[in-house]
Amino acid sequence: AQTVTQSQPEMSVQEAETVTLSCTYDTSESDYYLFWYKQPPSRQMILVIRQEAYKQQNATENRFSVNFQKAAKSFSLKISDSQLGDAAMYFCAYSRNQGGKLIFGQGTELSVKP
Amino acid sequence: EAGVVQSPRYKIIEKKQPVAFWCNPISGHNTLYWYLQNLGQGPELLIRYENEEAVDDSQLPKDRFSAERLKGVDSTLKIQPAELGDSAVYLCASNAGGTGELFFGEGSRLTVL
Repeated sequence: AQTVTQSQPEMSVQEAETVTLSCTYDTSESDYYLFWYKQPPSRQMILVIRQEAYKQQNATENRFSVNFQKAAKSFSLKISDSQLGDAAMYFCAYSRNQGGKLIFGQGTELSVKP
Repeated sequence: EAGVVQSPRYKIIEKKQPVAFWCNPISGHNTLYWYLQNLGQGPELLIRYENEEAVDDSQLPKDRFSAERLKGVDSTLKIQPAELGDSAVYLCASNAGGTGELFFGEGSRLTVL
């Protein structure tokens, strides 16, 4: 069975600095999708960034980028120039195919200090 | 474009009472999901619909939970009777295929006393 592990329950970063959130996963599939979702307090979960396993190039979305290491089954999220609005729970998620179920990690709570 | 709409946002009930949650997905999204999110944890899938067909309900506790999506649009998740351990946030999400991105509602927070 596929599993997703986030080993950092909490992280803290100074405003304008860079932070990296870690995620590892386990699967026997060769093609799959990986996601980072953001869940602000009492607000809906939104997609931050996605990565298709068949793509070697790491995905980037503005200040957000990933380090995808397929052999190591690692998928970390880097947030550059952190902003107060980045404070939230971040979930790493895995999906075997488009439209299939997402398997989530336990989450990392990110706080941003002014 | 309207997002995924869920109601109620909050519900407090006594144990053994029934409760129902409603979800209206984004227009045109054929796939609908119900997830359970316990405090401080990641969401876990309860059931996934493709149109009106439940294609993955292996994690749904069928002795007390039921769900329906009769016309392939909105959906209802019911718990009867509720137990103390059912206190959680129930998230609805929808997907149109393509990128695989799920769009989530704000969730329904259930407290069972």
